[in-house]
Amino acid sequence: EVVLTQSPGALSLSPGERATLSCRASQSFTNNHLAWYQQRPGQTPRLLIWDASNRGAGTPDRISGSGSGTDFTLTISRLEPEDFGVYYCQLFGTSPTFGQGTKVEMK
Amino acid sequence: QVNLQESGPGLVKPSETLSLTCIVSGDSISRFYYSWIRQPPGKGLEWIGYIHYSGDSNYNPSLKSRVAISVDTSKNQFFLKMTSVTAADTAVYFCAAGWGAGAGDMWGQGSLVTVSS
Repeated sequence: EVVLTQSPGALSLSPGERATLSCRASQSFTNNHLAWYQQRPGQTPRLLIWDASNRGAGTPDRISGSGSGTDFTLTISRLEPEDFGVYYCQLFGTSPTFGQGTKVEMK
Repeated sequence: QVNLQESGPGLVKPSETLSLTCIVSGDSISRFYYSWIRQPPGKGLEWIGYIHYSGDSNYNPSLKSRVAISVDTSKNQFFLKMTSVTAADTAVYFCAAGWGAGAGDMWGQGSLVTVSS
């Protein structure tokens, strides 16, 4: 069973700054079935990225995903007010699992 | 795209069975994989299991002995049953649909289920 570990647990940043979120898998998976979700307070999670680097519908260009194997990254190039919230990575496919989340909060 | 809506009791007694329904609208239920995902208050997301209309299904190993997910294509609905619930099963339960097994391209609004006597 793959375990996803996200880091850092929390990020305190100002609008306009760059955010870099990490998701590390306990073992490598070759199909890159890695997704990223954003959950704003009191809201339903929203798909941002699928298959490690493909933007979902409505995901702005300032949000990008990268990585392969065991190390994956979500980058927000310039934080907007609507980007603050909790971000989860997820391995999907045969045995799905979520990371524990990274909270991006406003400084 | 599909719209998803969870329904079911908001309160379940300890040791009893939690039953939820997800109503799928907007497209054929055969196009996607369907998952149940839960979120305890103040905590992260936990995948419970997925099903495809073809019969392909899988469950979280930690919940597998207590969980069953089924689908009724004639009604465009899928279901979650979780037996022998305890307070630790108190959570918001989401149904989700995705192109990949277990993925959440689309989500329901969530249904809070509290386990308490």
